[in-house]
Amino acid sequence: DTAVSQTPKYLVTQMGNDKSIKCEQNLGHDTMYWYKQDSKKFLKIMFSYNNKELIINETVPNRFSPKSPDKAHLNLHINSLELGDSAVYFCASTQRLEGKGYTFGSGTRLTVV
Amino acid sequence: AQSVTQLGSHVSVSEGALVLLRCNYSSSVPPYLFWYVQYPNQGLQLLLKYTTGATLVKGINGFEAEFKKSETSFHLTKPSAHMSDAAEYFCAVSGRSNDYKLSFGAGTTVTVRA
Repeated sequence: DTAVSQTPKYLVTQMGNDKSIKCEQNLGHDTMYWYKQDSKKFLKIMFSYNNKELIINETVPNRFSPKSPDKAHLNLHINSLELGDSAVYFCASTQRLEGKGYTFGSGTRLTVV
Repeated sequence: AQSVTQLGSHVSVSEGALVLLRCNYSSSVPPYLFWYVQYPNQGLQLLLKYTTGATLVKGINGFEAEFKKSETSFHLTKPSAHMSDAAEYFCAVSGRSNDYKLSFGAGTTVTVRA
């Protein structure tokens, strides 16, 4: 009954590979997000989808491509992984404009070697 | 655009002492303000939030924060620290516009001394 679930929890891969991270929420929220947390714990928004529509697309390399098949799912695909992509990636969801704050997943720790 | 500044990247307190974490925000519109906590190797958990109404907001685990518009601050306090409060704390702000983007401060690491 996890509210926001991400898979996998850990991902170790070589440079140049392509990988995906999946996120699902069962809260009935209409908006989902991807955040990147770097080694200094700084959290930066990457993307946001509202009802399957992309509404936030920050300055992120185009090797990163989000996909939202429905409003309960938001996946992140990363092509040609680089060492600098190593980070923890968090998925979050909210009901937009209601000021409730986000509910976060437990994160995916990506290590590129 | 909205932003927050957390004053002090590390705070060390004795068990039973007051915890005070400082956060100042910048926003051209009335903001929504939040505090989140992150325990090691876990996601972020909402401690409390301010949207409208009462400026003193109570959250979980005995934490509270006060919204002070004149000082553009939203400081987090807990009267008596417990060992389990050791974690990373993030202040965050969003506007009330269509993108509803949450912008985080750099975080404050809290350690609790026995």
